[in-house]
Amino acid sequence: GAGVSQSPSNKVTEKGKDVELRCDPISGHTALYWYRQRLGQGLEFLIYFQGNSAPDKSGLPSDRFSAERTGESVSTLTIQRTQQEDSAVYLCASSPGRNSPLHFGNGTRLTVT
Amino acid sequence: GQQLNQSPQSMFIQEGEDVSMNCTSSSIFNTWLWYKQDPGEGPVLLIALYKAGELTSNGRLTAQFGITRKDSFLNISASIPSDVGIYFCAGKTLRDDKIIFGKGTRLHILP
Repeated sequence: GAGVSQSPSNKVTEKGKDVELRCDPISGHTALYWYRQRLGQGLEFLIYFQGNSAPDKSGLPSDRFSAERTGESVSTLTIQRTQQEDSAVYLCASSPGRNSPLHFGNGTRLTVT
Repeated sequence: GQQLNQSPQSMFIQEGEDVSMNCTSSSIFNTWLWYKQDPGEGPVLLIALYKAGELTSNGRLTAQFGITRKDSFLNISASIPSDVGIYFCAGKTLRDDKIIFGKGTRLHILP
């Protein structure tokens, strides 16, 4: 079946512009995560949605970052007034339940010039 | 917040050698996961562990959930060129619902 889909796969933007990254999770998966991966680095937790519970936003690095999820489907990660340090791969993952492993998309590579 | 300490940071080995990497934390975990990431792709699940002491294999890969619940290791036997990549441990603590990741172990195979 279809896996986690992220779009766009690549995004180049100018410093100061806003960007929106999209994630389509696997159908029926109640949990959805966003992670940031800087070049050569590990996965940095950003935000976690679980069903209808309030999201865990504890990983968002600043108030320029926000994310929404519509029910148990698509999620968008928005970065306002982008800075060069925002350049990274943004990975989305979903899972069928609280204690289930994550299934990842291939990420959106964001470059801020 | 919680942190996962993964080691080694990188490894350079000969084809055919066995590999061992581990992850430790000061917190108690109730789930340990091991992932592999190839360039340009998202991480892919290798092994999932849910019980202290659990030892699980997936082909040439073996992982264990430490008895103290604060560590896990991954072994790869008889490494082959396609084992090259970044290996991440990940887990979930008793008191937090989210899955966090270690910084990864970069595996290189020498020609």
